[in-house]
Amino acid sequence: DGGITQSPKYLFRKEGQNVTLSCEQNLNHDAMYWYRQDPGQGLRLIYYSQIVNDFQKGDIAEGYSVSREKKESFPLTVTSAQKNPTAFYLCASSIFLTNPGLAGASYTYEQYFGPGTRLTVT
Amino acid sequence: AQSVTQLGSHVSVSEGALVLLRCNYSSSVPPYLFWYVQYPNQGLQLLLKYTTGATLVKGINGFEAEFKKSETSFHLTKPSAHMSDAAEYFCAVSEPLTGGSYIPTFGRGTSLIVHP
Repeated sequence: DGGITQSPKYLFRKEGQNVTLSCEQNLNHDAMYWYRQDPGQGLRLIYYSQIVNDFQKGDIAEGYSVSREKKESFPLTVTSAQKNPTAFYLCASSIFLTNPGLAGASYTYEQYFGPGTRLTVT
Repeated sequence: AQSVTQLGSHVSVSEGALVLLRCNYSSSVPPYLFWYVQYPNQGLQLLLKYTTGATLVKGINGFEAEFKKSETSFHLTKPSAHMSDAAEYFCAVSEPLTGGSYIPTFGRGTSLIVHP
């Protein structure tokens, strides 16, 4: 079955430690995303990547870092510089076409989400 | 720039009653619109989407939504609520093929509570 996996489901860390959240997809999607979810705040974009070895900051990138060395993988590191790291983190993927009109089809870029990782920092 | 407003952070209905979750959007170009559902401690799942064509869109689990350009709305409805519908619902907007951002902007979510 194709899909997105995130591990671990729950993660506990001490303040001041860096922690890396895993995200893997086998949907052959080019684009991948990381979101942070806090109660009542919806989803806030941390980083996204349209292609291997390239990524862009989202709305709340400070205190986070990512890498995209493989198409299937997009790990997120929560660094000690992130002031309020305790949250639910969601990874997503979607197709991405630079010239969708040339492909002769309509692409909606709907996102497919992983099950999430709940990070607690004390 | 695109934005989404979901009216009501919580909506409470009785089992069997009509479900109406409101979403209004702002977009400088014809938008693509989405509704996602999230069950506790899980990721989001696409319920339905509007791109072009028919303005009444049917999705999974008996939900549907109607795109009303004049009202800039995309409200989600279901004729009869089921206990299993209790979840968080997110509306999202993107502008993928018209020079805008293909990355969706999400609303803050509406928690649907279903009473027996």
